[in-house]
Amino acid sequence: AQKVTQAQTEISVVEKEDVTLDCVYETRDTTYYLFWYKQPPSGELVFLIRRNSFDEQNEISGRYSWNFQKSTSSFNFTITASQVVDSAVYFCALSLRNSNYQLIWGAGTKLIIKP
Amino acid sequence: NAGVTQTPKFRILKIGQSMTLQCTQDMNHNYMYWYRQDPGMGLKLIYYSVGAGITDKGEVPNGYNVSRSTTEDFPLRLELAAPSQTSVYFCASSLTGTPYEQYFGPGTRLTVT
Repeated sequence: AQKVTQAQTEISVVEKEDVTLDCVYETRDTTYYLFWYKQPPSGELVFLIRRNSFDEQNEISGRYSWNFQKSTSSFNFTITASQVVDSAVYFCALSLRNSNYQLIWGAGTKLIIKP
Repeated sequence: NAGVTQTPKFRILKIGQSMTLQCTQDMNHNYMYWYRQDPGMGLKLIYYSVGAGITDKGEVPNGYNVSRSTTEDFPLRLELAAPSQTSVYFCASSLTGTPYEQYFGPGTRLTVT
Protein backbone atom coordinates (compact mmCIF):
# COMPACT_ATOMS: atom_id res chain seq x y z
CA ALA A 1 0.00 0.00 0.00
CA GLN A 2 1.10 3.54 -0.64
CA LYS A 3 1.04 5.96 2.24
CA VAL A 4 2.56 9.20 3.50
CA THR A 5 2.88 9.84 7.22
CA GLN A 6 3.54 13.21 8.77
CA ALA A 7 3.57 12.31 12.43
CA GLN A 8 3.96 15.88 13.70
CA THR A 9 0.51 17.41 13.75
CA GLU A 10 1.71 20.79 15.00
CA ILE A 11 5.09 22.33 15.78
CA SER A 12 5.63 25.63 17.53
CA VAL A 13 9.02 27.33 17.69
CA VAL A 14 10.37 30.79 18.37
CA GLU A 15 11.59 32.85 15.46
CA LYS A 16 15.18 32.15 14.37
CA GLU A 17 15.11 28.58 15.63
CA ASP A 18 15.75 25.76 13.19
CA VAL A 19 12.90 23.31 12.69
CA THR A 20 12.58 19.97 10.91
CA LEU A 21 9.34 18.58 9.54
CA ASP A 22 9.27 14.82 9.14
CA CYS A 23 7.83 12.86 6.25
CA VAL A 24 7.84 9.06 6.01
CA TYR A 25 6.47 7.31 2.95
CA GLU A 26 5.55 3.75 2.02
CA THR A 27 5.67 2.25 -1.43
CA ARG A 28 6.95 -0.87 -3.11
CA ASP A 29 7.51 0.95 -6.40
CA THR A 30 11.09 1.73 -7.32
CA THR A 31 10.18 4.81 -9.34
CA TYR A 32 8.37 7.51 -7.47
CA TYR A 33 8.39 11.23 -6.75
CA LEU A 34 8.16 13.13 -3.51
CA PHE A 35 6.82 16.62 -3.10
CA TRP A 36 6.50 19.28 -0.45
CA TYR A 37 3.78 21.92 -0.60
CA LYS A 38 3.17 24.89 1.67
CA GLN A 39 -0.29 26.13 2.64
CA PRO A 40 -0.05 29.56 4.30
CA PRO A 41 -2.96 30.99 6.32
CA SER A 42 -4.37 32.52 3.13
CA GLY A 43 -5.19 28.97 2.03
CA GLU A 44 -3.56 28.49 -1.34
CA LEU A 45 -1.16 25.60 -1.90
CA VAL A 46 2.33 26.44 -3.07
CA PHE A 47 4.75 23.95 -4.58
CA LEU A 48 8.14 23.85 -2.83
CA ILE A 49 10.13 20.92 -4.17
CA ARG A 50 10.03 17.66 -6.11
CA ARG A 51 12.53 14.78 -5.84
CA ASN A 52 12.64 11.55 -7.78
CA SER A 53 13.50 8.22 -6.23
CA PHE A 54 16.81 7.97 -8.04
CA ASP A 55 18.22 11.21 -6.74
CA GLU A 56 19.14 11.09 -3.06
CA GLN A 57 21.14 14.29 -3.10
CA ASN A 58 20.09 16.72 -0.45
CA GLU A 59 18.66 19.99 -1.70
CA ILE A 60 19.16 23.45 -0.29
CA SER A 61 17.23 26.54 -1.31
CA GLY A 62 18.02 29.54 0.84
CA ARG A 63 16.84 28.75 4.38
CA TYR A 64 15.08 25.59 3.23
CA SER A 65 16.72 22.20 2.92
CA TRP A 66 15.47 18.71 2.24
CA ASN A 67 16.99 15.41 3.31
CA PHE A 68 15.93 12.38 1.26
CA GLN A 69 16.92 8.98 2.67
CA LYS A 70 15.64 5.90 0.87
CA SER A 71 17.05 3.63 3.60
CA THR A 72 14.55 5.07 6.07
CA SER A 73 11.87 6.05 3.49
CA SER A 74 12.03 9.62 4.69
CA PHE A 75 11.99 13.00 3.02
CA ASN A 76 12.43 15.54 5.79
CA PHE A 77 12.24 19.31 5.45
CA THR A 78 14.33 21.71 7.53
CA ILE A 79 13.87 25.43 7.86
CA THR A 80 16.93 27.23 9.17
CA ALA A 81 16.57 30.47 11.12
CA SER A 82 12.78 30.33 10.93
CA GLN A 83 10.73 33.46 10.33
CA VAL A 84 7.15 34.34 11.15
CA VAL A 85 6.34 34.19 7.43
CA ASP A 86 7.18 30.48 7.50
CA SER A 87 4.06 29.85 9.57
CA ALA A 88 1.89 27.55 7.47
CA VAL A 89 0.71 23.99 7.05
CA TYR A 90 3.26 21.92 5.17
CA PHE A 91 2.26 18.85 3.19
CA CYS A 92 4.40 16.01 1.96
CA ALA A 93 3.07 14.00 -1.00
CA LEU A 94 4.03 10.90 -2.97
CA SER A 95 3.45 10.22 -6.65
CA LEU A 96 4.09 6.91 -8.34
CA ARG A 97 5.23 6.32 -11.91
CA ASN A 98 2.37 3.93 -12.45
CA SER A 99 -0.19 6.35 -11.12
CA ASN A 100 0.13 9.32 -13.40
CA TYR A 101 -2.63 11.33 -11.95
CA GLN A 102 -2.69 10.99 -8.25
CA LEU A 103 -0.72 12.53 -5.44
CA ILE A 104 -0.90 10.65 -2.14
CA TRP A 105 -0.94 13.32 0.53
CA GLY A 106 0.18 13.31 4.13
CA ALA A 107 -2.10 14.92 6.69
CA GLY A 108 0.14 17.96 6.99
CA THR A 109 2.16 19.58 9.76
CA LYS A 110 1.06 22.94 11.09
CA LEU A 111 4.11 25.09 11.78
CA ILE A 112 3.74 28.07 14.10
CA ILE A 113 6.63 30.51 14.31
CA LYS A 114 6.34 32.83 17.30
CA PRO A 115 7.99 36.26 17.17
CA ASN B 1 -1.14 35.38 -16.14
CA ALA B 2 -3.91 34.33 -13.72
CA GLY B 3 -2.89 30.66 -13.27
CA VAL B 4 -5.77 28.64 -11.80
CA THR B 5 -8.91 30.54 -10.85
CA GLN B 6 -11.89 29.25 -8.92
CA THR B 7 -15.33 30.68 -8.29
CA PRO B 8 -17.02 31.20 -5.94
CA LYS B 9 -14.70 31.70 -2.96
CA PHE B 10 -17.41 30.90 -0.44
CA ARG B 11 -20.83 29.29 -0.66
CA ILE B 12 -23.50 28.09 1.73
CA LEU B 13 -25.89 25.46 0.43
CA LYS B 14 -28.96 23.90 1.93
CA ILE B 15 -29.21 20.13 2.04
CA GLY B 16 -30.45 18.82 -1.28
CA GLN B 17 -29.44 21.85 -3.34
CA SER B 18 -27.06 21.59 -6.27
CA MET B 19 -24.29 23.83 -7.49
CA THR B 20 -21.33 24.00 -9.82
CA LEU B 21 -17.84 25.02 -8.75
CA GLN B 22 -15.99 26.66 -11.59
CA CYS B 23 -12.30 26.18 -12.37
CA THR B 24 -10.29 27.76 -15.17
CA GLN B 25 -6.59 27.62 -15.96
CA ASP B 26 -4.70 29.70 -18.50
CA MET B 27 -1.43 27.75 -18.58
CA ASN B 28 -2.50 25.34 -21.34
CA HIS B 29 -2.12 22.44 -18.95
CA ASN B 30 -3.47 19.10 -20.04
CA TYR B 31 -4.19 17.67 -16.61
CA MET B 32 -6.69 19.07 -14.16
CA TYR B 33 -7.81 17.86 -10.75
CA TRP B 34 -10.43 18.45 -8.10
CA TYR B 35 -9.56 17.87 -4.45
CA ARG B 36 -11.38 18.34 -1.20
CA GLN B 37 -9.68 19.23 2.05
CA ASP B 38 -11.47 18.51 5.30
CA PRO B 39 -10.33 20.28 8.49
CA GLY B 40 -6.95 19.07 9.70
CA MET B 41 -6.61 16.62 6.85
CA GLY B 42 -4.64 16.27 3.67
CA LEU B 43 -6.19 16.53 0.25
CA LYS B 44 -8.36 13.83 -1.29
CA LEU B 45 -8.75 13.52 -5.04
CA ILE B 46 -12.34 13.69 -6.27
CA TYR B 47 -11.95 13.63 -10.07
CA TYR B 48 -9.23 14.29 -12.57
CA SER B 49 -8.92 14.88 -16.29
CA VAL B 50 -6.02 14.22 -18.63
CA GLY B 51 -7.42 16.31 -21.45
CA ALA B 52 -10.56 17.73 -22.98
CA GLY B 53 -13.29 15.10 -23.09
CA ILE B 54 -11.49 12.71 -20.73
CA THR B 55 -12.28 12.45 -17.04
CA ASP B 56 -11.92 9.78 -14.39
CA LYS B 57 -12.74 9.16 -10.75
CA GLY B 58 -10.35 9.74 -7.93
CA GLU B 59 -10.52 8.52 -4.35
CA VAL B 60 -13.82 10.16 -3.29
CA PRO B 61 -16.07 10.73 -6.35
CA ASN B 62 -19.48 9.94 -4.85
CA GLY B 63 -21.88 12.86 -4.94
CA TYR B 64 -19.90 14.75 -7.58
CA ASN B 65 -19.71 15.01 -11.34
CA VAL B 66 -17.31 16.70 -13.72
CA SER B 67 -16.97 17.56 -17.36
CA ARG B 68 -14.07 18.83 -19.47
CA SER B 69 -15.25 20.32 -22.73
CA THR B 70 -12.23 22.61 -23.15
CA THR B 71 -8.59 22.54 -22.06
CA GLU B 72 -9.15 25.57 -19.84
CA ASP B 73 -12.27 24.67 -17.87
CA PHE B 74 -13.01 21.86 -15.44
CA PRO B 75 -16.25 22.47 -13.51
CA LEU B 76 -17.27 20.32 -10.55
CA ARG B 77 -20.97 19.67 -10.02
CA LEU B 78 -22.46 18.81 -6.65
CA GLU B 79 -25.84 17.14 -6.88
CA LEU B 80 -28.11 16.89 -3.86
CA ALA B 81 -25.70 18.50 -1.40
CA ALA B 82 -25.18 16.75 1.94
CA PRO B 83 -23.51 17.99 5.16
CA SER B 84 -20.66 15.52 4.50
CA GLN B 85 -19.72 17.65 1.50
CA THR B 86 -18.86 20.60 3.72
CA SER B 87 -15.21 21.14 2.87
CA VAL B 88 -12.72 23.32 1.06
CA TYR B 89 -12.45 22.44 -2.61
CA PHE B 90 -9.29 22.97 -4.59
CA CYS B 91 -8.83 22.80 -8.31
CA ALA B 92 -5.35 22.15 -9.67
CA SER B 93 -3.65 21.72 -13.01
CA SER B 94 -0.37 20.32 -14.29
CA LEU B 95 1.34 20.15 -17.65
CA THR B 96 1.01 16.39 -17.67
CA GLY B 97 0.93 13.86 -14.84
CA THR B 98 3.85 12.73 -12.74
CA PRO B 99 6.37 14.16 -12.22
CA TYR B 100 5.13 17.64 -12.95
CA GLU B 101 4.04 19.76 -10.03
CA GLN B 102 0.44 20.77 -9.69
CA TYR B 103 -0.63 24.40 -9.55
CA PHE B 104 -3.54 25.13 -7.27
CA GLY B 105 -6.39 27.58 -7.30
CA PRO B 106 -7.30 29.60 -4.17
CA GLY B 107 -10.03 27.19 -3.09
CA THR B 108 -13.78 27.33 -2.53
CA ARG B 109 -15.09 27.03 1.03
CA LEU B 110 -18.43 25.22 0.91
CA THR B 111 -20.79 24.76 3.82
CA VAL B 112 -23.86 22.54 3.55
CA THR B 113 -26.48 23.06 6.27
